[in-house]
Amino acid sequence: NAGVTQTPKFQVLKTGQSMTLQCAQDMNHNSMYWYRQDPGMGLRLIYYSASEGTTDKGEVPNGYNVSRLNKREFSLRLESAAPSQTSVYFCASSVSRQGSYEQYFGPGTRLTVT
Amino acid sequence: QKEVEQDPGPLSVPEGAIVSLNCTYSNSAFQYFMWYRQYSRKGPELLMYTYSSGNKEDGRFTAQVDKSSKYISLFIRDSQPSDSATYLCAMGVRGGSQGNLIFGKGTKLSVKP
Repeated sequence: NAGVTQTPKFQVLKTGQSMTLQCAQDMNHNSMYWYRQDPGMGLRLIYYSASEGTTDKGEVPNGYNVSRLNKREFSLRLESAAPSQTSVYFCASSVSRQGSYEQYFGPGTRLTVT
Repeated sequence: QKEVEQDPGPLSVPEGAIVSLNCTYSNSAFQYFMWYRQYSRKGPELLMYTYSSGNKEDGRFTAQVDKSSKYISLFIRDSQPSDSATYLCAMGVRGGSQGNLIFGKGTKLSVKP
């Protein structure tokens, strides 16, 4: 099992450009998440999807959109990139065990917006 | 007051030392607790999880939860240079909002040979 995979690993964008970050999991998990991680800020939830066909906003959704393409795939789109979106982006998926959830993370995408 | 507080460190210890990493929280609804390890330029990796007060041991690692004090700890015995990483605590409410976890900001640990 590959677990959670993310593409690309690195990306440099100019202000105003758009891009989509891809995430896929092969663990048959229902829930998937997108986080950003910035120095001193910790992990902040951007969007999550509790199941195929549903998405909800997290703590910092502005400037982002998501698509839950199917059970395996959850993509994050930046429509018009801004320097404030320079960050490391992590995708995660989770499995429920008796009402509690263990999240498993991908390797991350390092995004720089100039 | 933030929901989860974690000292960012950095914490530097000699090889073989016992390491204590801690988080405090304010929301008494949290029912399960996790520790993640994150190596530099990698994704967080689930290290341990526990649902109840008390201790849970896994090899050199012990997770401790004190719900009455709203305090959790991770102890690392016989620390190794390979333990050098950032450790994040995380917690959630059972049956809560689609499995969302609240994370601490992480403590950076360096184990010197």
